[in-house]
Amino acid sequence: AQKVTQAQTEISVVEKEDVTLDCVYETRDTTYYLFWYKQPPSGELVFLIRRNSFDEQNEISGRYSWNFQKSTSSFNFTITASQVVDSAVYFCASTDSWGKLQFGAGTQVVVTP
Amino acid sequence: EPEVTQTPSHQVTQMGQEVILRCVPISNHLYFYWYRQILGQKVEFLVSFYNNEISEKSEIFDDQFSVERPDGSNFTLKIRSTKLEDSAMYFCANKLGSTDTQYFGPGTRLTVL
Repeated sequence: AQKVTQAQTEISVVEKEDVTLDCVYETRDTTYYLFWYKQPPSGELVFLIRRNSFDEQNEISGRYSWNFQKSTSSFNFTITASQVVDSAVYFCASTDSWGKLQFGAGTQVVVTP
Repeated sequence: EPEVTQTPSHQVTQMGQEVILRCVPISNHLYFYWYRQILGQKVEFLVSFYNNEISEKSEIFDDQFSVERPDGSNFTLKIRSTKLEDSAMYFCANKLGSTDTQYFGPGTRLTVL
């Protein structure tokens, strides 16, 4: 069974600050997939990024970057130069090759002008 | 870009009534899921559906719940006799292949009075 832990319940920042969201996962699978989804106040779930267990290369996509470290079972996500529109709940999730997404509890990000 | 759609966006029902939540998946996607999110809580897996049958279900998905693809395109979730605790946002998700990313619909907010 997979488990995802997001220890941060809420993070408040002022616009243009960077914000890093922590995610720790547990799995016994050798192949697995990790995701970040964003849930803005409107309620939908928006896919942001995905990482496969066999690819530890970290990347930057616009203002988003992520740090995947198998040694610590962490998949952290950073928003650079935050904007008010980044205010949302961010969910980390994992899955094995076939099945359901296992979500963390989510981290509320509040960006104030 | 193709999207998952869900109807209705909001459903209000009386306890004990049957409700059917509908999802129109992205065409050619083969894997279908229902999740629910009680207000303020994390997203929870309900059921996965592949090749016209349930492939996995959670403890939440008891005999009061059922899923089907009545016309080969729409994907429905039926709750036979709603309870107060069924009040939640219900999300449909689907993916093209077994290792692909799940994309979510906008959700149906179910309120049971």
